[in-house]
Amino acid sequence: GQQLNQSPQSMFIQEGEDVSMNCTSSSIFNTWLWYKQDPGEGPVLLIALYKAGELTSNGRLTAQFGITRKDSFLNISASIPSDVGIYFCAGPTDSNYQLIWGAGTKLIIKP
Amino acid sequence: DAGVTQSPTHLIKTRGQHVTLRCSPISGHKSVSWYQQVLGQGPQFIFQYYEKEERGRGNFPDRFSARQFPNYSSELNVNALLLGDSALYLCASSFFSGDNEQFFGPGTRLTVL
Repeated sequence: GQQLNQSPQSMFIQEGEDVSMNCTSSSIFNTWLWYKQDPGEGPVLLIALYKAGELTSNGRLTAQFGITRKDSFLNISASIPSDVGIYFCAGPTDSNYQLIWGAGTKLIIKP
Repeated sequence: DAGVTQSPTHLIKTRGQHVTLRCSPISGHKSVSWYQQVLGQGPQFIFQYYEKEERGRGNFPDRFSARQFPNYSSELNVNALLLGDSALYLCASSFFSGDNEQFFGPGTRLTVL
């Protein structure tokens, strides 16, 4: 079945650093979604991508829809403490009724 | 505008019991989806409802059931609880079925002892 693989699993960064993470699949996706989840809360939609090659920004966040439609990337520039959390990629299955999710990338800022 | 609301926030049950979780979607959203999130993993799709009809079902046993009401709120029921049902249950709403931009509630944390 369709699966999403996220890397890295976790990241330790210094405040002010740029962050890059990615999501890959063996299947083609027509939509890529990036969510952030804080402890004890539900995921919050950050960026939605609908077209291969699309580059979309939301403040300091930038996400790209890979040309092959099998991957997507999320970059965070000049990280700040509130960026801490778990970042998930998600995409609709062929049935389009459900989202499948990666296992997440946990972002931790070193003190 | 109120976001997606879920109740209760936390719940403790014992094996064999049943549980009902509730969700109210964002005003104007007609589709509700339920997900189960086990610690350390991404959410797993359970159900999607649109206009009171089931539109999709994930790979969960028949102990899991749901329904959607005329006001678009929804309930998730789980019977004969197992220890492995302990998880965060998330509800997400969207304008229509197949709308991939889903907005999530804070979840209900279920602990089965």
